[in-house]
Amino acid sequence: LAKTTQPISMDSYEGQEVNITCSHNNIATNDYITWYQQFPSQGPRFIIQGYKTKVTNEVASLFIPADRKSSTLSLPRVSLSDTAVYYCLVGGVGSQGNLIFGKGTKLSVKP
Amino acid sequence: DGGITQSPKYLFRKEGQNVTLSCEQNLNHDAMYWYRQDPGQGLRLIYYSQIVNDFQKGDIAEGYSVSREKKESFPLTVTSAQKNPTAFYLCASSSGDKDTQYFGPGTRLTVL
Repeated sequence: LAKTTQPISMDSYEGQEVNITCSHNNIATNDYITWYQQFPSQGPRFIIQGYKTKVTNEVASLFIPADRKSSTLSLPRVSLSDTAVYYCLVGGVGSQGNLIFGKGTKLSVKP
Repeated sequence: DGGITQSPKYLFRKEGQNVTLSCEQNLNHDAMYWYRQDPGQGLRLIYYSQIVNDFQKGDIAEGYSVSREKKESFPLTVTSAQKNPTAFYLCASSSGDKDTQYFGPGTRLTVL
């Protein structure tokens, strides 16, 4: 069961790029890395998922080094509306009951 | 619109009463989940179901019960045996492909 470690909180300013790193030293061969975003009193929302190297979509990029023991979520040019908690999860097909949502990283974006 | 619905958004109950939280999805997903979230904390898994008529306990199943009679529905009952039921409850579903979970809006349960 892959456990993840993320910073508890991060601060940024509008327009900056934010990078949130997640450590997952015991990631398994068939595990994917998935990031979610959660606003207060709402359900988490899927942001991005990857297996290796780099994945980019319309909202974020995910960088995964060759050893896959960590990953970095990159949010370009954040705005106040990006203030939220970000969760990093690792798990593969069949691990549905074993995905662990830790406390996540609380990102605060200031004007 | 495809998605997951939870009802009601806010729920108040007296101590000692059982209460059932609704979760419905029209995404044709096989797997469904219930999580509990306390203030400032992450999500903790209560129960999950991979197929109809089958479900598994998560990390904090005590005091809760579920059923999965239909693919679209996965109701959660918070029983009087749950010692501290006041929390934010989240339902999710996934297709099994890479286990990406899609969440409902949540139900905030307050036991008075």
